[in-house]
Amino acid sequence: AQTVTQSQPEMSVQEAETVTLSCTYDTSESDYYLFWYKQPPSRQMILVIRQEAYKQQNATENRFSVNFQKAAKSFSLKISDSQLGDAAMYFCAYRSDGTASKLTFGTGTRLQVTL
Amino acid sequence: GAGVSQSPSNKVTEKGKDVELRCDPISGHTALYWYRQSLGQGLEFLIYFQGNSAPDKSGLPSDRFSAERTGGSVSTLTIQRTQQEDSAVYLCASSLAVLYNEQFFGPGTRLTVL
Repeated sequence: AQTVTQSQPEMSVQEAETVTLSCTYDTSESDYYLFWYKQPPSRQMILVIRQEAYKQQNATENRFSVNFQKAAKSFSLKISDSQLGDAAMYFCAYRSDGTASKLTFGTGTRLQVTL
Repeated sequence: GAGVSQSPSNKVTEKGKDVELRCDPISGHTALYWYRQSLGQGLEFLIYFQGNSAPDKSGLPSDRFSAERTGGSVSTLTIQRTQQEDSAVYLCASSLAVLYNEQFFGPGTRLTVL
């Protein structure tokens, strides 16, 4: 079974600064997908960014980018130019490339953004 | 267009009672998923439906939990004889197809069992 580990329960960043959230995973599969979801206090899970394991190029979405290290099974999220609206819980998630489409989540990192 | 909706938003019940949680997926989405988020934890997969195929129930924690999806659209998650450990946020998500990756989540139902 796959597992996802987020070792940082809480992180803090100053507005306009850069922060990196860590995620590691364990799998024996070669093809899979990785995601970062944001959960604000409204509870709505919002997809931030995704990465296909077969792609070597790291995904980017505006201020959000990932550092995907397949051999190390590491998938960190970098948030640049942090904004107050980035404050939320961030979850790393894994999905197999097969008919079983469930997401396996880490326990999350709470990000605080300070002035 | 409308997103995934869930009702009720909050539910308080007494231990031993049955509860039903409802999920309305995005129109046209053939796959529907239920997850549970306990306090301080990540999301835990419960069950998913894809079209007319048999649902994947591998995540249901006990036989007190069941779910159905009528007409390939609305889904109901039922918890019988609720226990205090069932207290959690129950999130529903839908997607266009099993192999299409993005799951769109609803706002969840917060269940409190007294």
